[in-house]
Amino acid sequence: SQKIEQNSEALNIQEGKTATLTCNYTNYSPAYLQWYRQDPGRGPVFLLLIRENEKEKRKERLKVTFDTTLKQSLFHITASQPADSATYLCALYNFNKFYFGSGTKLNVKP
Amino acid sequence: DAGVIQSPRHEVTEMGQEVTLRCKPISGHDYLFWYRQTMMRGLELLIYFNNNVPIDDSGMPEDRFSAKMPNASFSTLKIQPSEPRDSAVYFCASSESGTGGTNEKLFFGSGTQLSVL
Repeated sequence: SQKIEQNSEALNIQEGKTATLTCNYTNYSPAYLQWYRQDPGRGPVFLLLIRENEKEKRKERLKVTFDTTLKQSLFHITASQPADSATYLCALYNFNKFYFGSGTKLNVKP
Repeated sequence: DAGVIQSPRHEVTEMGQEVTLRCKPISGHDYLFWYRQTMMRGLELLIYFNNNVPIDDSGMPEDRFSAKMPNASFSTLKIQPSEPRDSAVYFCASSESGTGGTNEKLFFGSGTQLSVL
């Protein structure tokens, strides 16, 4: 069966450190992978997209890597801030459909 | 643009009642998706439309669920009759065809929190 796995345990880090979140998948061959941020009581908000032929993508303090051999994406937030605290979801795009992981909650402590 | 608009924000109903959730996508977007989010199962795709036509409803859990998109600016998700296990947050999202006919990203509404007692 198809699976998208994100660490269900919350990630707690200190302000200023780099947060690294993992997304692993099986039985997909996605055209691209995305990361979204979700705050309590709100819908997910798009952050970054990385295509299957790209190894790395950056946007300000965010960096995403995509390894199609390992079937894994890593999402990094450098110089993390308390305002970065949220749940982060990865999503795989395949044939017009977006499949989401269950998300990892990030807590950045001041 | 105001973004994707969903109504109501909260819905509390009794088992057996009909529930209708509403969505207004972003103007110009040609794809519309309905998702359901629960703690146990995360975000599940229920159905999606392209140019108002239902393309894939394989995620709709049962015949009690139905969705329509009568025009480019409005969609409904109906549950009849509702059951307690339908309690969840229902999200509508829209997107625009990108280069090569692919969608680039989803824009989500704020969701409808449904509680079936």
